[in-house]
Amino acid sequence: SQTIHQWPATLVQPVGSPLSLECTVEGTSNPNLYWYRQAAGRGLQLLFYSVGIGQISSEVPQNLSASRPQDRQFILSSKKLLLSDSGFYLCAWSVGYEQYFGPGTRLTVT
Amino acid sequence: GDSVTQMEGPVTLSEEAFLTINCTYTATGYPSLFWYVQYPGEGLQLLLKATKADDKGSNKGFEATYRKETTSFHLEKGSVQVSDSAVYFCALSFAGNMLTFGGGTRLMVKP
Repeated sequence: SQTIHQWPATLVQPVGSPLSLECTVEGTSNPNLYWYRQAAGRGLQLLFYSVGIGQISSEVPQNLSASRPQDRQFILSSKKLLLSDSGFYLCAWSVGYEQYFGPGTRLTVT
Repeated sequence: GDSVTQMEGPVTLSEEAFLTINCTYTATGYPSLFWYVQYPGEGLQLLLKATKADDKGSNKGFEATYRKETTSFHLEKGSVQVSDSAVYFCALSFAGNMLTFGGGTRLMVKP
């Protein structure tokens, strides 16, 4: 069966520090991969999606970037965090109609 | 563009009450429709889905029927439990492309 992992589960970082969040999927090949952000009490915002290795599409311009170095690995990064980057970051994968979500990373920028 | 509109929450119910969370969509064509549930501090879980008009998705006592004529996919449950307290998201997609989510509806069930 397929599983999706995200780490870390929680992270507290100062403003201006770098960020790296990792997502890996097991049990499937060539999935579409997604990064979402959920601000406190808000809905989901799609940040990036990828249909293959090295192929990244950005939905919202901001100081975040994404990379897909391997088929089942998706990384969200920032060189300098802003206070507004705080939120709950969710990775998801899909093959077909349905998306399956990871457990999320709660990021607090102080 | 495509969009999904959900009733604003929070929705507060007593245990064993009947639940309806309204969801309507705007799209060109006939998307697949989904309900996801997010329990506190967790990621989203697929609750149920419907891929064509008049399909009924069901899971864990929840149901939703794809109504093409009213472009709706309302979520219902006959008797809610405290453990159903969560945020519910309605969403649509076309042929495996990105999901378009509604804003989410928080449900609080009191004992």
